[in-house]
Amino acid sequence: KQEVTQIPAALSVPEGENLVLNCSFTDSAIYNLQWFRQDPGKGLTSLLLIQSSQREQTSGRLNASLDKSSGRSTLYIAASQPGDSATYLCAVVSTDSWGKFQFGAGTQVVVTP
Amino acid sequence: DAGVTQSPTHLIKTRGQQVTLRCSPKSGHDTVSWYQQALGQGPQFIFQYYEEEERQRGNFPDRFSGHQFPNYSSELNVNALLLGDSALYLCASSSGGRGSYEQYFGPGTRLTVT
Repeated sequence: KQEVTQIPAALSVPEGENLVLNCSFTDSAIYNLQWFRQDPGKGLTSLLLIQSSQREQTSGRLNASLDKSSGRSTLYIAASQPGDSATYLCAVVSTDSWGKFQFGAGTQVVVTP
Repeated sequence: DAGVTQSPTHLIKTRGQQVTLRCSPKSGHDTVSWYQQALGQGPQFIFQYYEEEERQRGNFPDRFSGHQFPNYSSELNVNALLLGDSALYLCASSSGGRGSYEQYFGPGTRLTVT
């Protein structure tokens, strides 16, 4: 059974510092991995999708890496801003799950001015 | 281009009642998935609909049922509501049939059961 873990559960950094968010999964047979952002009480905003054949994806200040063999993905956010404050969630689709996303519990990020 | 829409935004129900939540997928998407998110937790997969059929189901009781219409919109029904059903219900849409491609989420429906 696929399990997804995100550590730490919460993180506070000063503005301008780079953010490093971790996601680990127990079964390396994944189809893809997706990172989301969630503001309090709101839905999920897709940030990056990494297919299993890819090692990383980049969008603006965001960069996500994927290491299937070690069951890890890392989301990097460069030069953090107060507007980056949110909860960040990762989700994986296993190859035998036909679209069932397994989510981690998320990392709550606060960027202080 | 409209994204994923959900209605209603908020809902308050009494224990034992029934509720119906609605979702319209992003234009061009044919697959709809439903998730339940309790406070402070990640979303939990309820089920997925493709071609008007339930294709995959998570560990939720039969009180949770759904439907997909020919225009790809979907409904989530919950019968005999329990206090523990209070949560944010999220709908996600994707394309490609398999549903494993990038998923786009709606704003959610906040259900409170009293």
